[in-house]
Amino acid sequence: DAGITQSPRHKVTETGTPVTLRCHQTENHRYMYWYRQDPGHGLRLIHYSYGVKDTDKGEVSDGYSVSRSKTEDFLLTLESATSSQTSVYFCAISESGQQYNEQFFGPGTRLTVL
Amino acid sequence: GQQVMQIPQYQHVQEGEDFTTYCNSSTTLSNIQWYKQRPGGHPVFLIQLVKSGEVKKQKRLTFQFGEAKKNSSLHITATQTTDVGTYFCAGRNSGGYQKVTFGIGTKLQVIP
Repeated sequence: DAGITQSPRHKVTETGTPVTLRCHQTENHRYMYWYRQDPGHGLRLIHYSYGVKDTDKGEVSDGYSVSRSKTEDFLLTLESATSSQTSVYFCAISESGQQYNEQFFGPGTRLTVL
Repeated sequence: GQQVMQIPQYQHVQEGEDFTTYCNSSTTLSNIQWYKQRPGGHPVFLIQLVKSGEVKKQKRLTFQFGEAKKNSSLHITATQTTDVGTYFCAGRNSGGYQKVTFGIGTKLQVIP
């Protein structure tokens, strides 16, 4: 498996509280992604990064922000968590955004918003 | 925006039977990737198809990319209990950033 870790692995929080999820890679890959996985929806892209301080929105970015201050770390923040953000969050990396590069996924973070 | 439809969403098969999942894109793709996610695990890359009409095999798994590069299929011959999991296709569009869009996934259950 690629060197990707996510923290925390599980979190329970209350509506309205801020939450930050961390993705850390040791592969020095340029691209990093945050997805959420929900039954009936598959994997949906939240935000992605194509370099340090370079980020862009995915298809379900509302209510989420990201930051990437170092190549190895990509943070996902829920400014004010809502129950609709209960999900499993996966971080992924790829060597580049070029069309021939597969994505390597982290182990996931299960977030429950009460 | 680009949409990738995947069917069926669920499939139960008897061990030894064949299994197929299909993906269809609303737009022409530059390539398509397939991933497998075991229960409780994370998606793992299986293969990538790039050329129109391409067929690739991995042991009992056969992957096809349509001539128009808008559809793809994964076929498993003689399923085994180790094939259990969810299979996702992921299509990369032909222009711009070449964003990957995942299908909804097909959850395969194999009955021993």
